[in-house]
Amino acid sequence: QQQVKQSPQSLIVQKGGISIINCAYENTAFDYFPWYQQFPGKGPALLIAIRPDVSEKKEGRFTISFNKSAKQFSLHIMDSQPGDSATYFCAASTPRLGRLTFGEGTQLTVNP
Amino acid sequence: DSGVTQTPKHLITATGQRVTLRCSPRSGDLSVYWYQQSLDQGLQFLIHYYNGEERAKGNILERFSAQQFPDLHSELNLSSLELGDSALYFCASSVGTYTDTQYFGPGTRLTVL
Repeated sequence: QQQVKQSPQSLIVQKGGISIINCAYENTAFDYFPWYQQFPGKGPALLIAIRPDVSEKKEGRFTISFNKSAKQFSLHIMDSQPGDSATYFCAASTPRLGRLTFGEGTQLTVNP
Repeated sequence: DSGVTQTPKHLITATGQRVTLRCSPRSGDLSVYWYQQSLDQGLQFLIHYYNGEERAKGNILERFSAQQFPDLHSELNLSSLELGDSALYFCASSVGTYTDTQYFGPGTRLTVL
């Protein structure tokens, strides 16, 4: 019940396209959902995060869509750029757990 | 640069040995988290310390232990190492609560031969 399922495992998008990564969870106690971006040889870095009291949050080209009833959330990257090529992780947390439970990761490649 | 430092960057050792990984959190951060990243297990939470006290444990093996010192730096000790312990070990720090951004260090790559 602590798992976060992420798909797809890998994604190839053309420059200027929209990248969409999906995550699903079971634990209804999760109430904090961040997305992390990781470049090769680096640690993950927070991209954007959402709480379940809103259905969407946008920061620049990055948008999180959240569907509480379906227990799903997704990351949309608009106007994808080659510099966005990285591995993306969704995650979830609760006050009781206090730590992040990560999805399996999505390797995004944006072709020029 | 996240402001979290980890040493060493790389560590190569043999099975059965013991190693210590070190993490210095960002200035002002009281929470330190340790994560293990491997190809088959992804990013797995190991342990969380807040201001010197252990707050939560994940699927951390009994051969692994950690502590957070009064100056807030943390050490992860891995003993009786096995081939399967080869992985990237990340430390992350945050101000304190679970919704505070966790800033990850660059990681320590451990190779057990």
